[in-house]
Order: sequence, then structure tokens, then C-alpha cells
Amino acid sequence: DGGITQSPKYLFRKEGQNVTLSCEQNLNHDAMYWYRQDPGQGLRLIYYSQIVNDFQKGDIAEGYSVSREKKESFPLTVTSAQKNPTAFYLCASSPPSGGREKLFFGSGTQLSVL
Amino acid sequence: AQTVTQSQPEMSVQEAETVTLSCTYDTSESDYYLFWYKQPPSRQMILVIRQEAYKQQNATENRFSVNFQKAAKSFSLKISDSQLGDAAMYFCAYRSVYNNNDMRFGAGTRLTVKP
Repeated sequence: DGGITQSPKYLFRKEGQNVTLSCEQNLNHDAMYWYRQDPGQGLRLIYYSQIVNDFQKGDIAEGYSVSREKKESFPLTVTSAQKNPTAFYLCASSPPSGGREKLFFGSGTQLSVL
Repeated sequence: AQTVTQSQPEMSVQEAETVTLSCTYDTSESDYYLFWYKQPPSRQMILVIRQEAYKQQNATENRFSVNFQKAAKSFSLKISDSQLGDAAMYFCAYRSVYNNNDMRFGAGTRLTVKP
């Protein structure tokens, strides 16, 4: 079945540590996205990528980094510079559509600070 | 930048009754898409319904329908014959035609369904 796989489901970060969240899709979509979800704030865009080896910052990119070396993969690194990383992180993808198509979401990663 | 506002943090409905969730948005664009997503306790985001701004006819999907008022920039979701499985967070979202990476979400409405 086609879809988006996020791992791990739960992740714990120690002070000063970088952690990487995995996102893999087999939908052959060009565009991929990372969103952060906090209670009462909806989803906010961290980074997006429209094509391999290219990505752009979203609204809240500070303290995060990404790479897009393969079409299928878009990992997100939460760096030690992100002082409030506890949140639910959602990866999404989309076919080219001029905005008509929905976003396809993974099942998310809950990141907590130890 | 476009903003999406959901003014009802929580709503409740009796099973089999009808409930309407509100959403307003702010944009200067004339063409765009609007979405309602459902997020059940599993936290998986599920598309409920989609509306194209250039269409005057309101979208419907089984028990779900929208009231799209373009001039008022309003996009409410009506759930008829509510079921226990409808209990979830509901997010309204706006997606630009001109920059289709720019999907904006509201803060969400938590819907409780009472048996």
C-alpha cells in the first residue's frame, strides 16, 4: 500500500542533543512537508521541499534542519538550538496540483524532552 | 499571509443530531482551496471534505457538508446524524492556488459526541 511512514512514533531528547525524525513516502510525490502541532495552535509549517536537493523554510524553521537527498525521504533534525521541541511532528506529501490536492499525512512522531 | 480562524475550541453534540463547526479565513486571493481535516485520537489526519473557491456549489460527502460563503470568507462544516466515531479534532485549512505549498491551518475544534 502507498503511504507515508514516520518513525519513531515516540522520541525523547536530552538537553543539548540533536535528534532526527524519519519520513519516507512511496507515493512518488515531489512535494514533502514538515508540520509541528502544539495544543491549541493547529499545525505550523517548519520546512517544505518541492524537489530533490531543494527545500525552503516555513514559518517556524529556527532550530530545525532538513535534507532531501532522495525523492522518497525527507528527514527532520531537531537541533539543540530548538529550545522548546516538545510537540507532535507530522510529515506530509502532495502531488503537483496547483493547490487542489489534499496533503497526505504520516502518523506522526511525538517528541518529548527528558 | 493568509490566516484561518476557528472560534470554537470545543463543541459537543448528541448522537444522531446535527452540529456545525465554524471557520473563517482572511485572504486577498481570488482563487484557493479549503479543506476540513479530522484528527481522531489516533492522531492520523484524515481529509473530510474539500471546496474549490471558484465553485459556488457547496461540497458534500455523505453526512458532511459545508456552507461556503466566499464574500464573508466563511467555511463552516455541518455534520448530520452525528456518530460516536465523529468525535475528533477538526481542522479547517486554506491552500493557495498561487503558492501551493502554503497550506494554513486553524487552531482546531474538539468535537465530543454524547451517546
